Amino acid sequence: EAGVTQFPSHSVIEKGQTVTLRCDPISGHDNLYWYRRVMGKEIKFLLHFVKESKQDESGMPNNRFLAERTGGTYSTLKVQPAELEDSGVYFCASSVYRGTEAFFGQGTRLTVV
Amino acid sequence: AQTVTQSQPEMSVQEAETVTLSCTYDTSESDYYLFWYKQPPSRQMILVIRQEAYKQQNATENRFSVNFQKAAKSFSLKISDSQLGDAAMYFCAYRSAPSNSGGSNYKLTFGKGTLLTVNP
Repeated sequence: EAGVTQFPSHSVIEKGQTVTLRCDPISGHDNLYWYRRVMGKEIKFLLHFVKESKQDESGMPNNRFLAERTGGTYSTLKVQPAELEDSGVYFCASSVYRGTEAFFGQGTRLTVV
Repeated sequence: AQTVTQSQPEMSVQEAETVTLSCTYDTSESDYYLFWYKQPPSRQMILVIRQEAYKQQNATENRFSVNFQKAAKSFSLKISDSQLGDAAMYFCAYRSAPSNSGGSNYKLTFGKGTLLTVNP
């Protein structure tokens, strides 16, 4: 069974550009989560989807971040326009039910220069 | 709001020896879950061990065990007979139990992580 996969694994963009990160959860997992780790700091929650609906987006830093999960399958996280402080590793996780074990992807390392 | 603190940015251990990683947390809730996750270099983060706060018995998974001290809000991870494959970043994490907040809060709160090096 395929695990959670994230694309790309690395991305380097200039300040002001747009970047879209993608997450493919494990098949059948209705719950999808985005997290972010800024260098040297904690991994922080961004948002939680249940199928295509946003259950909790309290961790989204500002309106430059837009997450979507059309059709309740894969999810995208767009940053537009990117700022230097957006650099970090973005993790995606999925779970079958809310509260059950979340399986993580390998993360996307975003560097904004 | 809950917080998780890992006071050891880096730790090292000799192969076959035992190492303990520290984690403390702060919460006003009585029902919750605690986790240790492991992320090897450039690989996915995987769950190592999980502890339910209502259980007094410490969780164990093969060479991994925890020392859960609820009153002290401490949750340390002990790795016995360390192997080269144990080298990774280890994250301690907290999650509310469904009985709190109407069961709507499923996010994990993480510590900053401890980088474990295993020396041959």
